[in-house]
Amino acid sequence: GQNIDQPTEMTATEGAIVQINCTYQTSGFNGLFWYQQHAGEAPTFLSYNVLDGLEEKGRFSSFLSRSKGYSYLLLKELQMKDSASYLCAVRGSYIPTFGRGTSLIVHP
Amino acid sequence: SAVISQKPSRDICQRGTSLTIQCQVDSQVTMMFWYRQQPGQSLTLIATANQGSEATYESGFVIDKFPISRPNLTFSTLTVSNMSPEDSSIYLCSVGNIGTGTDNEQFFGPGTRLTVL
Repeated sequence: GQNIDQPTEMTATEGAIVQINCTYQTSGFNGLFWYQQHAGEAPTFLSYNVLDGLEEKGRFSSFLSRSKGYSYLLLKELQMKDSASYLCAVRGSYIPTFGRGTSLIVHP
Repeated sequence: SAVISQKPSRDICQRGTSLTIQCQVDSQVTMMFWYRQQPGQSLTLIATANQGSEATYESGFVIDKFPISRPNLTFSTLTVSNMSPEDSSIYLCSVGNIGTGTDNEQFFGPGTRLTVL
């Protein structure tokens, strides 16, 4: 089976940096995804990690440690539009299992 | 990237009826999936739609309740049968060429918001 944990809610200030953590226990591992989902919209792909280390893509970076079953999504220079739910998903074989998501609230 | 459309975008249905949701992709994809997202919850995989054969259902989901078709590589339907208020949810089609080694991204359609009265 698979178990994915991430905080339910986080708040941060516009312009700041926020780190959203995700821990997982899976029977296999074939990659970890981060998705962004605004209220009432479909999830959109942010990042994919399969090897240990940091992947940077603009204001967003994602880190993976396979030995620790741990990932984080780092958001820099926060903007109001970054207020959304952030979903961690782990692929054991072909199909990702999604965590419950972290609701990020960015305030002025 | 893949562009995915779903029809209908939303519907309000009576208990005991059935609704078929369509998913159309603008390019051929290896994998097509159907997810459910209940209010405040994350995504739950219902099944993998297999082209030309029966869908592969996840634990807790059965073909009689959620029949799925996938006649080709760009189209699939999900039917929610004999609906009850507990079926009220957002149903999302998702596609990707997962497992081919060429693309790890999984795309989601805009979703169908279903309310059962």
